[in-house]
Amino acid sequence: GAVVSQHPSWVICKSGTSVKIECRSLDFQATTMFWYRQFPKQSLMLMATSNEGSKATYEQGVEKDKFLINHASLTLSTLTVTSAHPEDSSFYICSARGLLAKNIQYFGAGTRLSVL
Amino acid sequence: GENVEQHPSTLSVQEGDSAVIKCTYSDSASNYFPWYKQELGKRPQLIIDIRSNVGEKKDQRIAVTLNKTAKHFSLHITETQPEDSAVYFCAASETYSGGGADGLTFGKGTHLIIQP
Repeated sequence: GAVVSQHPSWVICKSGTSVKIECRSLDFQATTMFWYRQFPKQSLMLMATSNEGSKATYEQGVEKDKFLINHASLTLSTLTVTSAHPEDSSFYICSARGLLAKNIQYFGAGTRLSVL
Repeated sequence: GENVEQHPSTLSVQEGDSAVIKCTYSDSASNYFPWYKQELGKRPQLIIDIRSNVGEKKDQRIAVTLNKTAKHFSLHITETQPEDSAVYFCAASETYSGGGADGLTFGKGTHLIIQP
């Protein structure tokens, strides 16, 4: 099946620093990647939709200057949390959608971000 | 935007019994409804999905029903087993002609507990 790799799985950083999270589709080309945020014991909230070669579309309430998304190739999208603060601590999960199974989103394993 | 309500938040059933989880959605334009299973600390895994042109879909012990008029869909798990214990999320999205599904709007999740 389709595999999505997300790295790192866990990161701790100091307040004010930036953190980059990578999402890779390993065995298929992902025309679209999605970034979600999940708080403990809660649901996944869509943050933004990223199409290869174009600017990401952010959901209402998500700061685009805070969460920088780059989708430079059909197999890689990155999320950079800029000037991270403790309230940014969360579980970030990406998903990728391919050309063939257009409806199905395959999820990465997630990145747990802890900002001190 | 879309709003997905999911009930119950916790469901405990005896091993071998059936489990039913229900979701409602608000946006009549939504036409793709996947169900994901998420075990603690792991990525969401797609277990079954249904599109609006179908009223029911079954895969072994798992089935999903959709009532587009009433805007609700349900997950049915029969002959439950201990390994079915997890958090289950319903989701909804719209698909565009010639394209794939939009970002998913998730329900809040149901913690399914299978009692041995």
